[in-house]
Amino acid sequence: AQSVTQLGSHVSVSEGALVLLRCNYSSSVPPYLFWYVQYPNQGLQLLLKYTSAATLVKGINGFEAEFKKSETSFHLTKPSAHMSDAAEYFCAVSVDSGTYKYIFGTGTRLKVLA
Amino acid sequence: KAGVTQTPRYLIKTRGQQVTLSCSPISGHRSVSWYQQTPGQGLQFLFEYFSETQRNKGNFPGRFSGRQFSNSRSEMNVSTLELGDSALYLCASSLLAGEGTGELFFGEGSRLTVL
Repeated sequence: AQSVTQLGSHVSVSEGALVLLRCNYSSSVPPYLFWYVQYPNQGLQLLLKYTSAATLVKGINGFEAEFKKSETSFHLTKPSAHMSDAAEYFCAVSVDSGTYKYIFGTGTRLKVLA
Repeated sequence: KAGVTQTPRYLIKTRGQQVTLSCSPISGHRSVSWYQQTPGQGLQFLFEYFSETQRNKGNFPGRFSGRQFSNSRSEMNVSTLELGDSALYLCASSLLAGEGTGELFFGEGSRLTVL
């Protein structure tokens, strides 16, 4: 069965510093990999998705993620953190390409320090 | 284009009661999924509907049920509420896989508190 592990339930970075949020998935390569962001009292918003077209995926708000099959990882990065990036981030994998049953990680809450 | 709309946004119930939550998907989206979000468990898949048929179901007891109408609107029902059912219930709509890019579009959720 597919599974997703997000290392670090809480991450703090200084404004302007590199953001690195980690995501590892189980060994069978899923059809889709995603990063979603959730701001307080809101639903989830898609940041970026991997669909096998390219291993380096660029998303909104300056975020990007690299799919590494050998490491079964899909880590999220942003070169320079902004205060507005403070939110909770979720990595997700699809179970199969025919349905929308996704497995989500438990989330990483990002805090940006001034 | 309007997003996914969930009602009610907040509700409080007592143990043993039942609750019905509603979700209106983005116009043209035919798939609706439901997720339960809690601080300890994160997002857990409840079920997915397409063309009024349940295509997938998560590992939840039979007290959790749902349905989809011909206009793609969906409802979920929880009967005999328990304290542990307190959560944010998120609805997400999508184009059918193969037509779209696999992206889920989420509503803002219905926050259920069970006392």
